Amino acid sequence: AQKITQTQPGMFVQEKEAVTLDCTYDTSDPSYGLFWYKQPSSGEMIFLIYQGSYDQQNATEGRYSLNFQKARKSANLVISASQLGDSAMYFCAMRENTDKLIFGTGTRLQVFP
Amino acid sequence: EPEVTQTPSHQVTQMGQEVILRCVPISNHLYFYWYRQILGQKVEFLVSFYNNEISEKSEIFDDQFSVERPDGSNFTLKIRSTKLEDSAMYFCASRGPGQPLSGANVLTFGAGSRLTVL
Repeated sequence: AQKITQTQPGMFVQEKEAVTLDCTYDTSDPSYGLFWYKQPSSGEMIFLIYQGSYDQQNATEGRYSLNFQKARKSANLVISASQLGDSAMYFCAMRENTDKLIFGTGTRLQVFP
Repeated sequence: EPEVTQTPSHQVTQMGQEVILRCVPISNHLYFYWYRQILGQKVEFLVSFYNNEISEKSEIFDDQFSVERPDGSNFTLKIRSTKLEDSAMYFCASRGPGQPLSGANVLTFGAGSRLTVL
């Protein structure tokens, strides 16, 4: 079974609108961390936001927020006020009680004017 | 802002040749990693390294692969005899001390080294 599932291979959003990128995960560990990374066309992996399994509040970092629904095992990334520079691949990842990240297959976001 | 530096950015090699990919992690980080991404696919864990030894490795990381921290700053990935299927982007990453499940303990990735095996 997939540990991290990103069901949206591609998403489009108009500039200045909000967009939600879906991520569901599968783990039986009570302790885990969830991450979102951005990969622009240049290829580097840029950390965006982190959510711990015991965190009571949803994580926020500027225009990024993580809609964490523990019972549903989902950790959707919300980007508010999209900008053209947000066009990139977005990867959801999970770290259980080991020291490795497990990535999803990614969602390609395209922001249009 | 501190960053992880990888060289070369792109390497083309013939099948069967040895390749060394180099990384300079963030200076006060203690945990080091290699991940790879085959074109158009997801990022996959290869190996983690701490205190001068491998702490965890994946099934991909077979005898053809090795890692080394030859001095206080560099962290290298060696592929002994490259195969066509080794063509991928290889990412080095590092993180600071402490438990992995900590909000402050995020992996910082380098920009990647693209390896093309002909």
